[in-house]
Amino acid sequence: GAGVSQSPRYKVAKRGQDVALRCDPISGHVSLFWYQQALGQGPEFLTYFQNEAQLDKSGLPSDRFFAERPEGSVSTLKIQRTQQEDSAVYLCASSLNTGQRNEKLFFGSGTQLSVL
Amino acid sequence: AQKITQTQPGMFVQEKEAVTLDCTYDTSDPSYGLFWYKQPSSGEMIFLIYQGSYDQQNATEGRYSLNFQKARKSANLVISASQLGDSAMYFCAMREGRGAQKLVFGQGTRLTINP
Repeated sequence: GAGVSQSPRYKVAKRGQDVALRCDPISGHVSLFWYQQALGQGPEFLTYFQNEAQLDKSGLPSDRFFAERPEGSVSTLKIQRTQQEDSAVYLCASSLNTGQRNEKLFFGSGTQLSVL
Repeated sequence: AQKITQTQPGMFVQEKEAVTLDCTYDTSDPSYGLFWYKQPSSGEMIFLIYQGSYDQQNATEGRYSLNFQKARKSANLVISASQLGDSAMYFCAMREGRGAQKLVFGQGTRLTINP
């Protein structure tokens, strides 16, 4: 596609429910990132994929958070047993992975998760 | 310690005026890159400008320029001739080292342009 696509745009979950957030990166982009953005804050890094390999998951806040990218394209961020503190916008970004310092990330519009 | 610090939670500027958004950073790595992104109410992060730690000149992209002061570890964004459409959140971000991929973001500054 022309840009990074995320779905759903909005998700309301009851506390304790599991949710799955989808990211379609730009075609051909090797690198894929997930960020969490709390209201009024900057994006916080969650995890990073290079193709299907998850190379960095240091930002995942707990073992309730799980991400995958099985075929090196679409990625899913899954949150199990959601809690109110999980309420945030989840941003996905992709890039070509040229190894250049100036390589920019292309972001989707995010999924706004509200846990009631 | 915060890697990226943006000390201005909000800025209000008259249309057509220039505005400077502050950003200071903290790193011991000599190789790093600094980015500015704009986030309008739609939510998508839009890349504005990049400055590399070894770049000799300040970066410029149209109405955007970066006031890079390496010794002070600051990378302020300057927007000239502001427009109503510039109203948005602005984030400063850094990538450290060679081959490192992730960007670390600051807390952001909300810019409001008044007509």
